[in-house]
Amino acid sequence: DSGVTQTPKHLITATGQRVTLRCSPRSGDLSVYWYQQSLDQGLQFLIQYYNGEERAKGNILERFSAQQFPDLHSELNLSSLELGDSALYFCASSVLAGASTDTQYFGPGTRLTVL
Amino acid sequence: AQSVTQLDSQVPVFEEAPVELRCNYSSSVSVYLFWYVQYPNQGLQLLLKYLSGSTLVKGINGFEAEFNKSQTSFHLRKPSVHISDTAEYFCAVSEAGNQFYFGTGTSLTVIP
Repeated sequence: DSGVTQTPKHLITATGQRVTLRCSPRSGDLSVYWYQQSLDQGLQFLIQYYNGEERAKGNILERFSAQQFPDLHSELNLSSLELGDSALYFCASSVLAGASTDTQYFGPGTRLTVL
Repeated sequence: AQSVTQLDSQVPVFEEAPVELRCNYSSSVSVYLFWYVQYPNQGLQLLLKYLSGSTLVKGINGFEAEFNKSQTSFHLRKPSVHISDTAEYFCAVSEAGNQFYFGTGTSLTVIP
């Protein structure tokens, strides 16, 4: 158990809908990262927040947004969902801001299925 | 941008045999290198990382990896695998600036 929690574990929705994925980092970790894992594109970094501020941005679509709240939990919002958004979404956390060197601890993921 | 290539998508190996999982990356600028393991229905877990110093890095569960700058490689090795090592293994590279790039993964299956 990494100490990172993600809810829900599974989510099934329809195209065009909007969903929110939630992540609680390990106690004491200030950084939260979001990743998308799909069969055709592998594991892709989406975005990082550090202590409430956006720190780094990867291959995140404009239909997706995220935020980190004062209690350090984070939410990833996915809107106008398409079939291709079906994937496993992971959250990770680390103590510091530097993803380059800091160890990231991954949550168990949220499996999103868009029908 | 970086690209990370894991040359073998699936590697079957008999129990107690040695294994090497290959990873190559594209850029020769200063990078940090990682191997993660993903057990079925779980998130990723860090096996080991190279930040600087000795090119041979030892990780958890008896794994080690060697950083080869001239060949831009970071291959993962274990001298004797166990059934419990069956999992998906991901190589990852990051540069200063917090971008993280993952390979497509290698599925290691240990055969009894």
